[in-house]
Amino acid sequence: EAAVTQSPRSKVAVTGGKVTLSCHQTNNHDYMYWYRQDTGHGLRLIHYSYVADSTEKGDIPDGYKASRPSQENFSLILELASLSQTAVYFCASSEDSANTEVFFGKGTRLTVV
Amino acid sequence: QQQVRQSPQSLTVWEGETAILNCSYEDSTFDYFPWYWQFPRESPALLIAIRPVSNKKEDGRFTIFFNKREKKLSLHITDSQPGDSATYFCAAIASSSFSKLVFGQGTSLSVVP
Repeated sequence: EAAVTQSPRSKVAVTGGKVTLSCHQTNNHDYMYWYRQDTGHGLRLIHYSYVADSTEKGDIPDGYKASRPSQENFSLILELASLSQTAVYFCASSEDSANTEVFFGKGTRLTVV
Repeated sequence: QQQVRQSPQSLTVWEGETAILNCSYEDSTFDYFPWYWQFPRESPALLIAIRPVSNKKEDGRFTIFFNKREKKLSLHITDSQPGDSATYFCAAIASSSFSKLVFGQGTSLSVVP
């Protein structure tokens, strides 16, 4: 089964500080995604990537940057964390656009104080 | 703009009853509709999925009914069990869009023994 590993699993950050969330997948998947989930809501797409060294904006990219240095790794960066970015963040991967099963990591719970 | 809508927001059924979760969408380019379930503090996991070439997909106690003309689908859970208590997300993908999942807001299902 596809393995997507996120780190850290939880983090408390200070408003205005920089936060980096990391994601690593070991399944040779080309597509990787970062989603955000707020309490009681569905997931919303922040950034995605379909090839190393390239990232694309999703539906809610403001306040976030992404980095895909290799096929296996995909990071989400909050340069200036804000209270409104408190949420659970999920990384996901899929093989390609034809194989549409998407595999999720266990999530990172981020609290900005 | 909510492209995928779910109702009801929450649902409670007795053990053994059939739970019906509804979903509607707007974008005609969506061509794959997975349902995910999510237990508290866990990541979403694929439950069952359907493509518009079919109007029904069955997997054990879980059945998706799909109406392409009305852009509606529903998930029926027969003989509901307490272990089915979770949040269910209807999602949609346009295969031309890098497998980007668009999620509904979710339905929280409680099955009472």
